[in-house]
Amino acid sequence: GNSVTQMEGPVTLSEEAFLTINCTYTATGYPSLFWYVQYPGEGLQLLLKATKADDKGSNKGFEATYRKETTSFHLEKGSVQVSDSAVYFCALSGGSYIPTFGRGTSLIVHP
Amino acid sequence: SAVISQKPSRDICQRGTSLTIQCQVDSQVTMMFWYRQQPGQSLTLIATANQGSEATYESGFVIDKFPISRPNLTFSTLTVSNMSPEDSSIYLCSGRTGGGQETQYFGPGTRLLVL
Repeated sequence: GNSVTQMEGPVTLSEEAFLTINCTYTATGYPSLFWYVQYPGEGLQLLLKATKADDKGSNKGFEATYRKETTSFHLEKGSVQVSDSAVYFCALSGGSYIPTFGRGTSLIVHP
Repeated sequence: SAVISQKPSRDICQRGTSLTIQCQVDSQVTMMFWYRQQPGQSLTLIATANQGSEATYESGFVIDKFPISRPNLTFSTLTVSNMSPEDSSIYLCSGRTGGGQETQYFGPGTRLLVL
């Protein structure tokens, strides 16, 4: 079946540090890939998406590129802020795919 | 895009009772889903809500425990029946838009505590 694997957290960084959260997936065919963010006490918000290979999704300084050859969709941000502290979920979905989520990676950013 | 609202936002219930959670989407979505999220955990898909027919349940979830309705394209309900403390969780409604730019959106969640 389909699966999404994210790096274990928590990821702890100082403000303005570079962020990478790794995500790899297993799926037949060509799903769409997503990153969601969940702030404390809230639901999931769509952060960015990519619908085909080599697409780059971006939003609020975050980026991720759909890499079919490595089946990856790593999330990056050049300079994190305290307000980016949240849990980040990688997911695949689209078409006939049952939406599949990773376990989530907690990000903690210190001033 | 789609904006999804849920009611209630939170509730505290007694063991053995049932709670119905409502989910409303502000635009038509092709698919609607119900998830459960334990604190600090990832999402577990309970079922896909199908318009006008029985929901499709994932392994470990049954209709008698989690009856679901979806009378139209923008509304769905999830009932948690005969609750026990193990049902304490966050329940999330989700809708997926179609039309070639399929994207899944989430409601804010319903926080349920069963005593």
